[in-house]
Amino acid sequence: KQEVTQIPAALSVPEGENLVLNCSFTDSAIYNLQWFRQDPGKGLTSLLLIQSSQREQTSGRLNASLDKSSGRSTLYIAASQPGDSATYLCAVRQDSAGNMLTFGGGTRLMVKP
Amino acid sequence: DGGITQSPKYLFRKEGQNVTLSCEQNLNHDAMYWYRQDPGQGLRLIYYSQIVNDFQKGDIAEGYSVSREKKESFPLTVTSAQKNPTAFYLCASSGGVTQYFGPGTRLTVL
Repeated sequence: KQEVTQIPAALSVPEGENLVLNCSFTDSAIYNLQWFRQDPGKGLTSLLLIQSSQREQTSGRLNASLDKSSGRSTLYIAASQPGDSATYLCAVRQDSAGNMLTFGGGTRLMVKP
Repeated sequence: DGGITQSPKYLFRKEGQNVTLSCEQNLNHDAMYWYRQDPGQGLRLIYYSQIVNDFQKGDIAEGYSVSREKKESFPLTVTSAQKNPTAFYLCASSGGVTQYFGPGTRLTVL
């Protein structure tokens, strides 16, 4: 059974720092991997989706990479801002037929002004 | 304005009562999902439905029930058999590429 782990569980950084969030998964036979953002008490917003054949995806200050063979993905946030404070969740989709996602526990990020 | 709505935002339940959480979508998606989130944890799948009048159990279905009589609606009932129902419940729908999430319902058992 697929298991997804995110380290660290919480992270506090000063504004302006570049930072990396980590996601690892046990079964490398994935269809795609997705990073979501969750603000306190809210739903999830999709940030980046990487297909299994891709190595990375970029959106603005966010860059997500995928190393399927080692079961790892990283989310890089450049020049962090207080507005980036949220919980970041990664999720893997196992196959193309059903859109079933397995989620990690999330990394709670605090960016201090 | 397309999206997913969940109601109510907050729900309080006495022990032994059943409660129903509403989830509606106007995205014309076939698939819908219910997740449970506990503090500091990721999402766990309760039930999902790939098409109207059909649904399957997820990883933690015990103590929950669902129905899918209309494409737009996927209500979740938390029954008295659920031992620890206090949690944040999220509904999602998908047209195939990714899942779109509602704003969530926070259920508290008094």
